[in-house]
Amino acid sequence: GAVVSQHPSWVICKSGTSVKIECRSLDFQATTMFWYRQFPKQSLMLMATSNEGSKATYEQGVEKDKFLINHASLTLSTLTVTSAHPEDSSFYICSARGHTEAFFGQGTRLTVV
Amino acid sequence: EDQVTQSPEALRLQEGESSSLNCSYTVSGLRGLFWYRQDPGKGPEFLFTLYSAGEEKEKERLKATLTKKESFLHITAPKPEDSATYLCAVLDSNYQLIWGAGTKLIIKP
Repeated sequence: GAVVSQHPSWVICKSGTSVKIECRSLDFQATTMFWYRQFPKQSLMLMATSNEGSKATYEQGVEKDKFLINHASLTLSTLTVTSAHPEDSSFYICSARGHTEAFFGQGTRLTVV
Repeated sequence: EDQVTQSPEALRLQEGESSSLNCSYTVSGLRGLFWYRQDPGKGPEFLFTLYSAGEEKEKERLKATLTKKESFLHITAPKPEDSATYLCAVLDSNYQLIWGAGTKLIIKP
């Protein structure tokens, strides 16, 4: 199947700093990329949907100024958690969609201390 | 309102004990139904896509089927390495992915 690479796989940062997570589709062009957050023992929660070259669409309750999404090319999207706080600690997963199927990155475990 | 419900929430089986996981859905204009496997601390791993009622797909010990209201993921003679959370998602007419909460499968040796 198609490969989506997400980096880094885990990161620890200090409260108040910003963290950037990258998501790359390695062998296909992703017209749409999704960013999810997953809390322990819960299913994936969609944060935002981004289409290449346009602004991301954020789900209700997700702060767009805190979670900056850039989808600069058909193979790369980035999520920047700005001024991170301990409550932002979570597992973040990206997904890239080609024609119909969506493939997922490995996820990023963010811990804010 | 589009909705996806998975059952059971958790399932414990002995190694070799076959069973099925259920994914029932109500969605406007189904474009596809997906099954994923997720191991702890990792992103979901794609298993199957089903597009229309009556369709079936198989991979090793797993077989997915689809009707107009639900999908089943049958697992035959499971092994401990099949332990994971299995997620179901549907793609609606607006290309939105709607997720079920998942079924945590535990296979005991």
